[in-house]
This record gives sequence, structure tokens and C-alpha cells, in this order.
Amino acid sequence: DAGVIQSPRHEVTEMGQEVTLRCKPISGHNSLFWYRQTMMRGLELLIYFNNNVPIDDSGMPEDRFSAKMPNASFSTLKIQPSEPRDSAVYFCASSPRDRTEQYFGPGTRLTVT
Amino acid sequence: GESVGLHLPTLSVQEGDNSIINCAYSNSASDYFIWYKQESGKGPQFIIDIRSNMDKRQGQRVTVLLNKTVKHLSLQIAATQPGDSAVYFCAETGYSTLTFGKGTMLLVSP
Repeated sequence: DAGVIQSPRHEVTEMGQEVTLRCKPISGHNSLFWYRQTMMRGLELLIYFNNNVPIDDSGMPEDRFSAKMPNASFSTLKIQPSEPRDSAVYFCASSPRDRTEQYFGPGTRLTVT
Repeated sequence: GESVGLHLPTLSVQEGDNSIINCAYSNSASDYFIWYKQESGKGPQFIIDIRSNMDKRQGQRVTVLLNKTVKHLSLQIAATQPGDSAVYFCAETGYSTLTFGKGTMLLVSP
């Protein structure tokens, strides 16, 4: 199994640009999670999906952030417009069932200048 | 094992020593707990988990202890190796999703 796959691994963009992060969960997993990690705030849950349906998006910082899961094998996290304070490492994770261990991808390091 | 801002608690040990990393969790309704290891530049990696109907669980070189009375979780690593150097996070779940602690950095010197 290839594990959770994220792309790109690194993204550098200018303030105001749209950023799209991509995630392919582990095949057969029913839940998918997006996290943001910074030194100041640690690991924060942004949103999670169960069977492709968004269940809890209370962690999404503001309307500039949106996430979709059009099918069981693909999800996107979009930031539009991006701001320097969005600079962080964004992780996608998947789990086989709700409330079980989560497997993390390698992350996308986003830098907004 | 909690931290604020830029300063992670750090545990420094010598290679071959046993390490104990502690975590205080917040939700008395949490019934499932996980320890993760995160190496520099990588995502968190699952180490071991424990459910609230247990107070101890052992893996390969690792043991997790759960004390529900004082809401405390610990991770014990036997014969610590330089490859164990990383940030360790505890996570708890009560209702639906995992809540992560801020992490503890483990530094192992040869």
C-alpha cells in the first residue's frame, strides 16, 4: 500500500493567489481528515469527511478555505485568496473507520509570500 | 507533555536508556488514545493505541499506560535508540475526531 499521497509536497505562492492541495487516501478507508500544522498552534483539524460527506468543518479558519471530496479516492483543500498567515504544513490523513487510528500523508509545505 | 507557542517540552536521553513521555488529556469522556511519532519533515506516524477499558498495552519496545483517574497517558520506550529522536504526540478521541496534544521532543544522544 502506498499510504496517503499528497501533492504538491512544496508550494510557494504570492499573496492573493489560489492554492489547491490534493490528497489520495488509503484505499478502503472511509474517513479523511485535513490538518494544518504550525509551530505556534500545533496540529489543528480543519475538516473531516466520512464516506465522502463533510461531517465537521468547524476548524476551517474562514471562507477563504474550502474542501471537497468528489469520490472515495480524492480530496482537495483550496485556499482563495491565500495570505501569508496561511503558511504552514498541511496534512491529509485517512482512517478505516470513524474513531480509529489515522494514517497521515507526508504533508504539503505551503509558503505564501 | 504540553507546550505553548514555540517551546516544545524536550526530553534528552542517552542511547540505551528507557524513555518516558507523559501526556495529560482534557476530556474525561475520551475512550480511545493514540501515540504518534513525527520525524522532521514527515507526517505523524502511528505508534500504539489504547482503549479506555485497558490501563496498559505493550508493543515492540513501547508501552502505553493509561490512568483515567487523573487523565494521564504515558509512552515508555525501552532501550531508546538515536532513530527514536522525534516529536511525540498523544491524541484522544471522545465523540468523533482526534484531539492532539502539542507534543514532546525526544532527543537521543549516542
